[in-house]
Amino acid sequence: EVQLVESGGGLVQPGGSLRLSCAASGFTFSSYWMHWVRQAPGKGLVWVSRIKYDGSSTGYADSVKGRFTISRDNAKNTLYLQMNSLRAEDTAVYYCTKDSGSSSDYWGQGTLVIVSS
Amino acid sequence: QSALTQPASVSGSPGQSITISCTGTSSDVGSYNLVSWYQQHQGKAPKLMIYEVSKRPSGVSNRFSGSKSGNTASLTISGLQAEDEADYYCCSYASSNTFVFGTGTKVTVL
Repeated sequence: EVQLVESGGGLVQPGGSLRLSCAASGFTFSSYWMHWVRQAPGKGLVWVSRIKYDGSSTGYADSVKGRFTISRDNAKNTLYLQMNSLRAEDTAVYYCTKDSGSSSDYWGQGTLVIVSS
Repeated sequence: QSALTQPASVSGSPGQSITISCTGTSSDVGSYNLVSWYQQHQGKAPKLMIYEVSKRPSGVSNRFSGSKSGNTASLTISGLQAEDEADYYCCSYASSNTFVFGTGTKVTVL
């Protein structure tokens, strides 16, 4: 059974940093692209970032480019999102998803990030 | 990277068919057959309903179908059921390893 479990969310001050993790199991993690998608409270889904199965290629939404970094450790079956220079508008539930044909066929339960002073 | 445009809400009676549109540009929806649709019930993680414009993942009801014409993709739900009441989002590949979601549509079963 595919499982994606996010962690690392919490309350952080504007300008601060946070690293999210996503522990994957139930599939060959090193063979799949992976995404981060976020959803602000009461708002819609927003794509954040994607990383190739070997980590050699990444893509970012304009709103996070230069501030967020996606990475992965295939030996640990774990996906990461390093978030720097956080802003109030980054407040959201962050979902880790498994890519399948440029869609997300499995989603984690999400981890909440709140950026506030 | 502007969000794809979806109607804010669509409603229908049980048994009816409804269609949700998703309008993008020639840089995203119009250029790639990589449109997907997601269903999200309140407080839950999204669920993949359609991928690559019109393909259904295993386990998704055949009442859900997808299509695309030009810069607009569509999701049709036939034989509307109470359990279909949820938010629906489209998503498209948008080149250079980036994606864009739609604004979301709330489906109400009357």
